[in-house]
Amino acid sequence: EPEVTQTPSHQVTQMGQEVILRCVPISNHLYFYWYRQILGQKVEFLVSFYNNEISEKSEIFDDQFSVERPDGSNFTLKIRSTKLEDSAMYFCATLAPPAGFFGQGTRLTVV
Amino acid sequence: AQKITQTQPGMFVQEKEAVTLDCTYDTSDQSYGLFWYKQPSSGEMIFLIYQGSYDEQNATEGRYSLNFQKARKSANLVISASQLGDSAMYFCAMRSGTGNQFYFGTGTSLTVIP
Repeated sequence: EPEVTQTPSHQVTQMGQEVILRCVPISNHLYFYWYRQILGQKVEFLVSFYNNEISEKSEIFDDQFSVERPDGSNFTLKIRSTKLEDSAMYFCATLAPPAGFFGQGTRLTVV
Repeated sequence: AQKITQTQPGMFVQEKEAVTLDCTYDTSDQSYGLFWYKQPSSGEMIFLIYQGSYDEQNATEGRYSLNFQKARKSANLVISASQLGDSAMYFCAMRSGTGNQFYFGTGTSLTVIP
């Protein structure tokens, strides 16, 4: 059973629409991360989340993005108004020392 | 600043042979962790192996071993007895003790030839 499960595996959305990507870690991990990977490019850090608050975020993580852990287990990434350039694979990750586990990713396609 | 460098964009290896994927890193932190991930064409990121900066022995996990040379700041991944299923993208990553995020290299695409 994977340490991190992401849903959906693939989402297609129209430009300007809001999307919510979900992540469920299997056990009580401390750190949560969101990364994205534009097709064929490097893995980019978006945000890290610790103790129910953002601990670090990148320049990519602007006001269009937000993260929540609404019920203590699920961890969500919301993009308020998607742009074409948001099309990418989005990975949730958790740190279960010493290993860092990534989910299988959500492939977001903005049309 | 933390930086990971993977200088081999693509590598080929014959099935059943061993292959080394290079990774160098840059950090001023004394405490850090080094990770290798495999990304097959399906896209998921699979954790392979971890090496802590204070670990005296090189990490091993089955056919994967990490050749850790701290003075040279290198953390090469060695895959022994390559299999066709090893064909994938491989990413080296680092997480420092003072920081939080994982820093990734640009990856190496490995192709195993039958």
